[in-house]
Amino acid sequence: DQQVKQNSPSLSVQEGRISILNCDYTNSMFDYFLWYKKYPAEGPTFLISISSIKDKNEDGRFTVFLNKSAKHLSLHIVPSQPGDSAVYFCAAPMNSGNTPLVFGKGTRLSVIA
Amino acid sequence: DAGITQSPRHKVTETGTPVTLRCHQTENHRYMYWYRQDPGHGLRLIHYSYGVKDTDKGEVSDGYSVSRSKTEDFLLTLESATSSQTSVYFCAIKAGAQETQYFGPGTRLLVL
Repeated sequence: DQQVKQNSPSLSVQEGRISILNCDYTNSMFDYFLWYKKYPAEGPTFLISISSIKDKNEDGRFTVFLNKSAKHLSLHIVPSQPGDSAVYFCAAPMNSGNTPLVFGKGTRLSVIA
Repeated sequence: DAGITQSPRHKVTETGTPVTLRCHQTENHRYMYWYRQDPGHGLRLIHYSYGVKDTDKGEVSDGYSVSRSKTEDFLLTLESATSSQTSVYFCAIKAGAQETQYFGPGTRLLVL
């Protein structure tokens, strides 16, 4: 039973446009969410996070939106750049407090120049 | 950079042989994790540690064991490697705010 779902395996966007990556979750007890970015042959790198007490968190070109009633979060990248081409993972702690993360399967973003 | 190294970075081995992967951290973090990444599966937790000699199983722990005899090292052992364990293995530590984890560069393992 997959608790964090990324239903789009891939996404292609023109440079300069907005990229929107989606993530759904099934466990209403999740209270913190993270996005990771992964380039080939490298480890995932932390990108941005959001607590369930917020509905939006912004860091430069990256914004994460959380809709708790829909159990849905999204990552917006504006404007998209070729260097943003990577696999993006959505994740959440299995339980509150010092627990491992459960990850979605990832979405491969391609930003076309 | 969370000061995480993994060794070896690449390994080719044969079915039935034992394999040990090492994760080393330099910043004295308490929590360490081993994940594997496979196409179509994302990252899945194998084992994790919440202190020296304190470990617990993850989602895909069958066929793997771990040891943590000192804070800085977390070892993952495949007692008898199988082809299904061909994967990329990532070590992570928990640091900073909330549940943020930081990952090492990965070990690519091929079991023939």
